[in-house]
Amino acid sequence: EDQVTQSPEALRLQEGESSSLNCSYTVSGLRGLFWYRQDPGKGPEFLFTLYSAGEEKEKERLKATLTKKESFLHITAPKPEDSATYLCAAPEGGAQKLVFGQGTRLTINP
Amino acid sequence: DAGVIQSPRHEVTEMGQEVTLRCKPISGHNSLFWYRQTMMRGLELLIYFNNNVPIDDSGMPEDRFSAKMPNASFSTLKIQPSEPRDSAVYFCASSLGASQPQHFGDGTRLSIL
Repeated sequence: EDQVTQSPEALRLQEGESSSLNCSYTVSGLRGLFWYRQDPGKGPEFLFTLYSAGEEKEKERLKATLTKKESFLHITAPKPEDSATYLCAAPEGGAQKLVFGQGTRLTINP
Repeated sequence: DAGVIQSPRHEVTEMGQEVTLRCKPISGHNSLFWYRQTMMRGLELLIYFNNNVPIDDSGMPEDRFSAKMPNASFSTLKIQPSEPRDSAVYFCASSLGASQPQHFGDGTRLSIL
């Protein structure tokens, strides 16, 4: 069964304290690994797609990387506005049906 | 450019009533998805359409749920009759196609009393 597992469930950091979020997946025929950010009361907002092992993508203080078994979302010198739930997802069976992880709730304290 | 538009944003109704959720996808997107999000189960896909045709409805919980896409710019998700366990946030998303990112609306928060 295709699965996406995120860790940790919650992470609390001080402003400026860098860290990484993990997303491990067991999906056959991976056709993209997606990262989203979700703020309270909002829908998930698309951040990145990674298609092959070794690929990296960056946006402001965020960098996403991909290996054959997992993806990392690195956050460098975070600010309070980076506080959100970060979700990763992979297409089930290589199709369009996305399987989402449970998310990591990130809190950045000023 | 307008994103995915969902209505209503909030719906509170009594058990047994019919509920209709609406979605307008991003213009030009040919895939549309309906999700449900709860604390216990996270984000789950209910059904998706390609070019207005339902492709996979295996996530629809039971026959009380139905979805339609009469044209490329409109879709509905209907629950009849509604039950308290249907309370959740329902999201609609659209994309340009396979392996393309899905873009989400801000959801409908549904409460069934």
